[in-house]
Amino acid sequence: ETGVTQTPRHLVMGMTNKKSLKCEQHLGHNAMYWYKQSAKKPLELMFVYNFKEQTENNSVPSRFSPECPNSSHLFLHLHTLQPEDSALYLCASSQPAGINYGYTFGSGTRLTVV
Amino acid sequence: AQTVTQSQPEMSVQEAETVTLSCTYDTSENNYYLFWYKQPPSRQMILVIRQEAYKQQNATENRFSVNFQKAAKSFSLKISDSQLGDTAMYFCAFMTLNSGNTPLVFGKGTRLSVIA
Repeated sequence: ETGVTQTPRHLVMGMTNKKSLKCEQHLGHNAMYWYKQSAKKPLELMFVYNFKEQTENNSVPSRFSPECPNSSHLFLHLHTLQPEDSALYLCASSQPAGINYGYTFGSGTRLTVV
Repeated sequence: AQTVTQSQPEMSVQEAETVTLSCTYDTSENNYYLFWYKQPPSRQMILVIRQEAYKQQNATENRFSVNFQKAAKSFSLKISDSQLGDTAMYFCAFMTLNSGNTPLVFGKGTRLSVIA
């Protein structure tokens, strides 16, 4: 357990479903990130939140909708997904660089779209 | 934009032997950090070692050490006395140094298998 908890661990959903991924950290970090990990591709940054404000959206399709109600919680709302969205979704948190520049990752949610 | 390249998709090493994983990167920045992360089958991304670009001395963490060549933009990871528990995906990553939070940029990874 690293201090970043992701639920659920596995998720299978149909293309017409709506589901949400949850990420929680109690490390006192003020930045949170969503990454997508697909086979044989680099980890792709999706969203960045600093102090609850979204500071980066890496051209992610609107069928992915992030939410950061406070600096400890991050959600990724999913709707009308496509089979190519099947991947491992990783959440991470960090402090600003120069203070403690390590990232702490969760164990990810393995998403399968059918 | 920064890019990270890992040219070895898969590698294997005998237990107790030494293995080196390659990483090159491209950036116009002068101040940055470099990292190696390990992802075992449990999927947990674990920080192995990090290097500040302004430091000339190569970072070491127990059996793990790096060969950082700033001019060549190369950052290889050496694992000594390989253990079965070292079997995992290894990702090289880059982050610019500034006053705020900057995202990590990852390579595609190298799958390392340690053979008994």
